Amino acid sequence: AQSVTQLGSHVSVSEGALVLLRCNYSSSVPPYLFWYVQYPNQGLQLLLKYTTGATLVKGINGFEAEFKKSETSFHLTKPSAHMSDAAEYFCAVSDPPGTGNQFYFGTGTSLTVIP
Amino acid sequence: GAVVSQHPSWVICKSGTSVKIECRSLDFQATTMFWYRQFPKQSLMLMATSNEGSKATYEQGVEKDKFLINHASLTLSTLTVTSAHPEDSSFYICSARDVTKGYGYTFGSGTRLTVV
Repeated sequence: AQSVTQLGSHVSVSEGALVLLRCNYSSSVPPYLFWYVQYPNQGLQLLLKYTTGATLVKGINGFEAEFKKSETSFHLTKPSAHMSDAAEYFCAVSDPPGTGNQFYFGTGTSLTVIP
Repeated sequence: GAVVSQHPSWVICKSGTSVKIECRSLDFQATTMFWYRQFPKQSLMLMATSNEGSKATYEQGVEKDKFLINHASLTLSTLTVTSAHPEDSSFYICSARDVTKGYGYTFGSGTRLTVV
């Protein structure tokens, strides 16, 4: 079974500062990993995903994440925070294709950007 | 591409009534759709997996007679909350996967249900 842990339910950064949102997973097989963003009263928007290949994945809005198998991590980063980045961020892991269709979400991290 | 439309975006209903929420894949076919529930400041909890042309698969603890799911076509799944109570008030989100566009799931915009 898969599981996801997001360290820090709330993260505050100053505008222009580095954003680092942490995500660790547990999986018995190579996982597929995702980061989603959710704005208030809205659905989830995919930021980026890792399936296979290059371990550094670039997504939308300047975000990127690196899959580190040795650390079972998939941390999300952005070099310079913008006010519009304030939102809820969810890390998710899924079963590999053919073994199921479930997503396992982390508990979420609320990002506040201070002007 | 891979757009999922969810309707309504918000609904208020009286206790004891039923509410139907629709989830449509607009530009792709989805044999499988998923229904999630999200409480304030919490993560998404999978309620059930909706399978086109067959019965839905419910997660443990989810009452299938209360949360009726119908997936009658390849582009539409509906969730009906029957005999709604205030504790059913929540944010409900559906998702679907366009298998022609790689491994990723698209989420609907969610439905805020308030039962009074």
